[in-house]
Amino acid sequence: RKEVEQDPGPFNVPEGATVAFNCTYSNSASQSFFWYRQDCRKEPKLLMSVYSSGNEDGRFTAQLNRASQYISLLIRDSKLSDSATYLCVVIRNTDKLIFGTGTRLQVFP
Amino acid sequence: DVKVTQSSRYLVKRTGEKVFLECVQDMDHENMFWYRQDPGLGLRLIYFSYDVKMKEKGDIPEGYSVSREKKERFSLILESASTNQTSMYLCASSLARFNQPQHFGDGTRLSIL
Repeated sequence: RKEVEQDPGPFNVPEGATVAFNCTYSNSASQSFFWYRQDCRKEPKLLMSVYSSGNEDGRFTAQLNRASQYISLLIRDSKLSDSATYLCVVIRNTDKLIFGTGTRLQVFP
Repeated sequence: DVKVTQSSRYLVKRTGEKVFLECVQDMDHENMFWYRQDPGLGLRLIYFSYDVKMKEKGDIPEGYSVSREKKERFSLILESASTNQTSMYLCASSLARFNQPQHFGDGTRLSIL
């Protein structure tokens, strides 16, 4: 079983829709969590950190559920420019990041 | 803004060649990392470094070595390139403080013929 698992998608949604992705992690010692965004043939870029209390950045909301060991990303009012692969990232008790394989989102007009 | 620069965007080499991939960061980050990314496998850590002249094996170090002679520069070396090392290679850096996110370079798409 992979340490970090994501549904690969693709999630195909119309502009304006709300879409949510989950990411599960297997190691309960995991301590920090991030969402990265990766455009086709580009490098991953930090989208947002995920805090225990949940956090919001504009149209994006991240949540952490430690009991069930998953994090989520909610995107409201989807834009065409949101089309990308979203990578879930987990840090255990070191500086090493564990990456999920990503969830692909395609927003259509 | 953090700037992580990789020396080549695209590179084509032959089997058996020694290949050097260079990475430079300008934010005085202590930590530097080399990953490869392949379809369906995600990012996999090859090597990382916490400080000058220090290196640690990641999850897939076989066939690779690294060098960190200066804080800002982290080199990945393919000792004798093989076709299964054709991949996208990504360099990243981060602060040494606990639980810091990493910042990535543009990537080098390496093809071994």
